[in-house]
Amino acid sequence: VVMTQSPLSLPVTLGQSASISCSSSQSLLSSDGNTYLNWYQQRPGQSPRRLLHQVSNRDSGVPDRFSGSGSGTDFTLKISSVEAEDIGFYYCMEGTHWPPFTFGPGTEVTIK
Amino acid sequence: EVRLVESGGGLVKPGESLRLSCEVFGLPFAPAWLSWVRLAPGKGLEWLGRAKGDNLGGEINYAPFVKDRFIISRDGSKNTLFLQLNSLKSEDAGVYYCTTDPNWADGDFWGQGTQVTVSS
Repeated sequence: VVMTQSPLSLPVTLGQSASISCSSSQSLLSSDGNTYLNWYQQRPGQSPRRLLHQVSNRDSGVPDRFSGSGSGTDFTLKISSVEAEDIGFYYCMEGTHWPPFTFGPGTEVTIK
Repeated sequence: EVRLVESGGGLVKPGESLRLSCEVFGLPFAPAWLSWVRLAPGKGLEWLGRAKGDNLGGEINYAPFVKDRFIISRDGSKNTLFLQLNSLKSEDAGVYYCTTDPNWADGDFWGQGTQVTVSS
């Protein structure tokens, strides 16, 4: 499975919304009815952390300004009101067709 | 509190080997499915492989590009996951992380990472 993201670089204004798209070369709908598409954030100098699993389920401690949507092969991560702590890289990752688990190339979010 | 603590990184020459460890605290180790992920300079995150829980025989899955060079194992008596890196190349340099299974809905935990540098 090939994962693509756009844009690869995203300058944002504090307080504005931002969206990142992720596409997969195959449908991520699993035979068990779930869609295994995760979003990860990696802040500078920190370990990655999962923001959302199965498209839209926020992980513990993740602010509700992060939301996910999509189905099949097309997915979106939205940050409703960007804060300074949101800078870093964002990756989608598919977990339906493991092994392997495949990450997208990453999107760098910076502040304008 | 769940903690994953990696160790074993360092500077090696091309062709040499290194063994990374990931000790798990605060999480039942035997049933835990654990993965290795790396971040190489100028590249994104790469999933390397995973060890399923001991109740599933600790089955190991690998990314195709590392198979036969990297070996994952686990030791339940030490609550530790290992990654043996063999025949290292310059492009293997980066930060290596252990993490809980990407598809585990009940949580997501990562270690602090351990740096691997490959240079002559």
